[in-house]
Amino acid sequence: EVQLVESGGDLVQPGGSLRLSCAVSGFTFSNYWMSWVRQAPGKGPEWVANMNRDGSERHYVDSVKGRFTISRDNAKNSLYLQMNSLRVEDTAVYYCVRDGNGGYLHRWGQGTLVTVSS
Amino acid sequence: DIQMTQSPFTLSASVGDRVTITCRASQSVGGSLAWFQQKPGKAPQALIYLVSNLESAVPSRFSGSGSGTEFTLTISSLQPDDFATYYCQQSHTHPKTFGQGTKVEIK
Repeated sequence: EVQLVESGGDLVQPGGSLRLSCAVSGFTFSNYWMSWVRQAPGKGPEWVANMNRDGSERHYVDSVKGRFTISRDNAKNSLYLQMNSLRVEDTAVYYCVRDGNGGYLHRWGQGTLVTVSS
Repeated sequence: DIQMTQSPFTLSASVGDRVTITCRASQSVGGSLAWFQQKPGKAPQALIYLVSNLESAVPSRFSGSGSGTEFTLTISSLQPDDFATYYCQQSHTHPKTFGQGTKVEIK
């Protein structure tokens, strides 16, 4: 069974940092592109970043460029999102997602809540 | 960035109704268009990928069509489990972008 389990969400002050983790099982992690997608309260989903199979290619939405870093450890079947200089508008549930054919956002974790507030 | 615009924003329908949701892209996304269903408190679930391919275990009453910049999601006979919010999403170009969502409500 494919499983993606996010962790690391927390309440953090503006300007602070947080590292999200996603532990996967049930599939060969190193064969897939992986993404982070977030959803602010009452809003639609927003794709944040993705990374190719060996970590040599990364893409980000403009609003997080220079502040967030996506990474992966294929030996540990884990995906990460390092978030620095957090802003109130980064408050959201963050989902770890396995990409599918053509790059669509195929399989989603249950999400972890990040709240940025003073 | 490619903007995705869905219509309508909300849709009131009855069980058994045929429902159509439209998604328009600000530029061509080729065939890289997916549809998602989301229920309150849950992660979005993929329904359709590459315009018209049904995800495994998704009922056949769901179908997708379109090309280029205009796409539709059709539910042939609305069931109680289908009342939810639906999103389109393009994967043609980074950043991947979503429509604003269509909420399907009970009439």
